[in-house]
Amino acid sequence: NAGVTQTPKFQVLKTGQSMTLQCAQDMNHEYMSWYRQDPGMGLRLIHYSVGAGITDQGEVPNGYNVSRSTTEDFPLRLLSAAPSQTSVYFCASSYSPDGPNYGYTFGSGTRLTVV
Amino acid sequence: AQKITQTQPGMFVQEKEAVTLDCTYDTSDPSYGLFWYKQPSSGEMIFLIYQGSYDQQNATEGRYSLNFQKARKSANLVISASQLGDSAMYFCAMREGQRRSQGNLIFGKGTKLSVKP
Repeated sequence: NAGVTQTPKFQVLKTGQSMTLQCAQDMNHEYMSWYRQDPGMGLRLIHYSVGAGITDQGEVPNGYNVSRSTTEDFPLRLLSAAPSQTSVYFCASSYSPDGPNYGYTFGSGTRLTVV
Repeated sequence: AQKITQTQPGMFVQEKEAVTLDCTYDTSDPSYGLFWYKQPSSGEMIFLIYQGSYDQQNATEGRYSLNFQKARKSANLVISASQLGDSAMYFCAMREGQRRSQGNLIFGKGTKLSVKP
């Protein structure tokens, strides 16, 4: 099925460990992004990409890296996990011609716990 | 300052009644889009409805309608004939600008809706 695929769905990390959250879409969307969701905070943008080879920071980028080598994939790397990074992570993609009238397709989320 | 404000952390509604979820926004860009998403307890984000800043009419999608008051910068979601399956978290979001690089969604903190039988 077409859409945004996130892996893994659940992950427990120890403080200081690193890991990569995977995100892939098969809709040829240029625009991809990572959000984190914390209770009472809504969704906050971590990093985003407007196309292969182009990435930029969002509202809460510290502790995370991204790269976009292909249109399909947009992995999120946690360099040295901290308990403050315990959250639910969503990847989202969008077809994005000029104009604001296209929403995002979201992945099913990754629930990350850092102990 | 918050760009998207949802002032109702939680709401209750009786089954089959209508309910309005509030959303106000702040932008100086004349071109923007407003979105509502539903997040059930299973966690996925489900797109409900979209309203563009230049749209002349309020958006409707089945039982969902958007009460768009541009001068007041409000974009309230109206759910008619509530169903038990409408119990979920609801997020208002905005996307500003015409340029491709401005495509980020900005979310409010959400409203938890509970439908009572």
